Amino acid sequence: DAGITQSPRYKITETGRQVTLMCHQTWSHSYMFWYRQDLGHGLRLIYYSAAADITDKGEVPDGYVVSRSKTENFPLTLESATRSQTSVYFCASSESGQGALNEQFFGPGTRLTVL
Amino acid sequence: LAKTTQPVSMDSYEGQEVNITCSHNNIATNDYITWYQQFPSQGPRFIIQGYKTKVTNEVASLFIPADRKSSTLSLPRVSLSDTAVYYCLVGDGWRTGANNLFFGTGTRLTVIP
Repeated sequence: DAGITQSPRYKITETGRQVTLMCHQTWSHSYMFWYRQDLGHGLRLIYYSAAADITDKGEVPDGYVVSRSKTENFPLTLESATRSQTSVYFCASSESGQGALNEQFFGPGTRLTVL
Repeated sequence: LAKTTQPVSMDSYEGQEVNITCSHNNIATNDYITWYQQFPSQGPRFIIQGYKTKVTNEVASLFIPADRKSSTLSLPRVSLSDTAVYYCLVGDGWRTGANNLFFGTGTRLTVIP
């Protein structure tokens, strides 16, 4: 199906384990983003990518690693999960980095629980 | 860095017009104003974007005064399905880095029957 998808939708893991959240978009959008959403903090940007092989930190990058070898995929890895990383994670994509026409399209989210 | 300030929450009765104001005193010349809507258990969805004066689409209107230090999202005749969190963002995109775009905590709108 066309659009932006995330997998898994739900994940429970233990402290110290490595976890990878997947994001896939079919629009060939240049820009992709990872956000986390926690009560009281709203949406916070973790990492973003302007194109394949180009990534940069957002507001809260510590503890996360990203890669983007293909335009359509933007996986987010928690190398050693901590309880503070329990959150809902949203992936988004955007066609353009311009001021206008920079609408972000969001995936359905992944609810991650770290025990 | 053009961060925004919005009311934490608002309540409205069905059928009324709702206006949500966002303050952005440090808005820069190249910045656009964008609003997103988020329903429970879903990702945010783009509603409207503007630079100055007034913008209207099938969902909402956006009013921006001449000084651009604030903006107002107007939802006409809200229904229960408009219950959501609304985010105001200010920035020029992320050509120069994504740190100029913040979603913040948004405004939680509750529509009452």
